[in-house]
Amino acid sequence: AQSVTQLGSHVSVSEGALVLLRCNYSSSVPPYLFWYVQYPNQGLQLLLKYTSAATLVKGINGFEAEFKKSETSFHLTKPSAHMSDAAEYFCAVSERGSQGNLIFGKGTKLSVKP
Amino acid sequence: DAGVIQSPRHEVTEMGQEVTLRCKPISGHNSLFWYRQTMMRGLELLIYFNNNVPIDDSGMPEDRFSAKMPNASFSTLKIQPSEPRDSAVYFCASSVGGTNTEAFFGQGTRLTVV
Repeated sequence: AQSVTQLGSHVSVSEGALVLLRCNYSSSVPPYLFWYVQYPNQGLQLLLKYTSAATLVKGINGFEAEFKKSETSFHLTKPSAHMSDAAEYFCAVSERGSQGNLIFGKGTKLSVKP
Repeated sequence: DAGVIQSPRHEVTEMGQEVTLRCKPISGHNSLFWYRQTMMRGLELLIYFNNNVPIDDSGMPEDRFSAKMPNASFSTLKIQPSEPRDSAVYFCASSVGGTNTEAFFGQGTRLTVV
């Protein structure tokens, strides 16, 4: 079965610092991968998705993620953190041939210090 | 488009009562998903529909939970009888369908069973 592992339930960075949120997937066939963001008391919003076109995917709000098959990883990065980036981030996988149901990781809560 | 609309936003009920959560997906979307979010278990897929037909309900925790989609613009998730451990945020999401399409989430219903 598909699964997603997000290393670190809580990450804290200073404003202006690099953001790195880790995501590893388990699948014998490269799946489709997604990053979502959840602000307090809100639903989930798509940041970006990988669908096998380009391995480096750019998303909204300056975030990007790189798909690395050899490492089964899809880490999310942003060069310079803003206070407004404080939220919870979820990595998700959708198995090829499925109906598009997403399997989510446990989430990583990002705090940004002034 | 108004996005995925869920109601109510908050529900407080007594143990043993019936609870009905409602969802209106985005017009034109063929797939609808119900997720539950808790601190302990994260985001869990409960059930999903494709073209109003339930495809996979293996995530529904017990027979107390049931979901219906009588038409393309409406779905319900019912818990009868409710228990305190059902307290969670329940999200509805919809997509155009297919493995590489993103799901759009509603704002969620925060259910508290006392």
